[in-house]
Amino acid sequence: GIQVEQSPPDLILQEGANSTLRCNFSDSVNNLQWFHQNPWGQLINLFYIPSGTKQNGRLSATTVATERYSLLYISSSQTTDSGVYFCAVDEIQGAQKLVFGQGTRLTINP
Amino acid sequence: KAGVTQTPRYLIKTRGQQVTLSCSPISGHRSVSWYQQTPGQGLQFLFEYFSETQRNKGNFPGRFSGRQFSNSRSEMNVSTLELGDSALYLCASSAEVRIYNSPLHFGNGTRLTVT
Repeated sequence: GIQVEQSPPDLILQEGANSTLRCNFSDSVNNLQWFHQNPWGQLINLFYIPSGTKQNGRLSATTVATERYSLLYISSSQTTDSGVYFCAVDEIQGAQKLVFGQGTRLTINP
Repeated sequence: KAGVTQTPRYLIKTRGQQVTLSCSPISGHRSVSWYQQTPGQGLQFLFEYFSETQRNKGNFPGRFSGRQFSNSRSEMNVSTLELGDSALYLCASSAEVRIYNSPLHFGNGTRLTVT
């Protein structure tokens, strides 16, 4: 099955810093999503981005499907950005059966 | 619009018992998926339902089952609970306007502890 690898596994930054999170996947995909899991366990959908670039406020994401990777950028980090960021891709093209990476745990210190 | 609602939020059960978890999707969403999250295995797909039919199933034993009702609400059931079933169970719904363009929206989850 498809493999999803995220890096780095852990990232500790000061408030105001910028960060880049990476997601590599082993096969072509039609469905790639980024999620943020807050300390209370809730998974929030950040981007649906099988290809191209999207921006939402301080967050942006880029997926280069031909090279099988996606990047999530967080600028001017805030303490509320802390949590775990997951990348997920479809195991079967077109199916809502997502394979998740192991996540990047981001800690933003004041 | 209300988000995905899961009940109950917390459950404590004993080995050998069974449990039923409930999920109400976002209004208008017909696809409901279930995921299990554990510290060791991460997030793993359980199954997905669409219009009361199971479309996809993950690699879990038959003790894990689910169903979807005509109003798109879904339930999952775990029978003969084992200690390893302790996990956060997450439900997600999607609009599926086009199958390739359907972000998942998750509920707050049900945290199940098996003792």
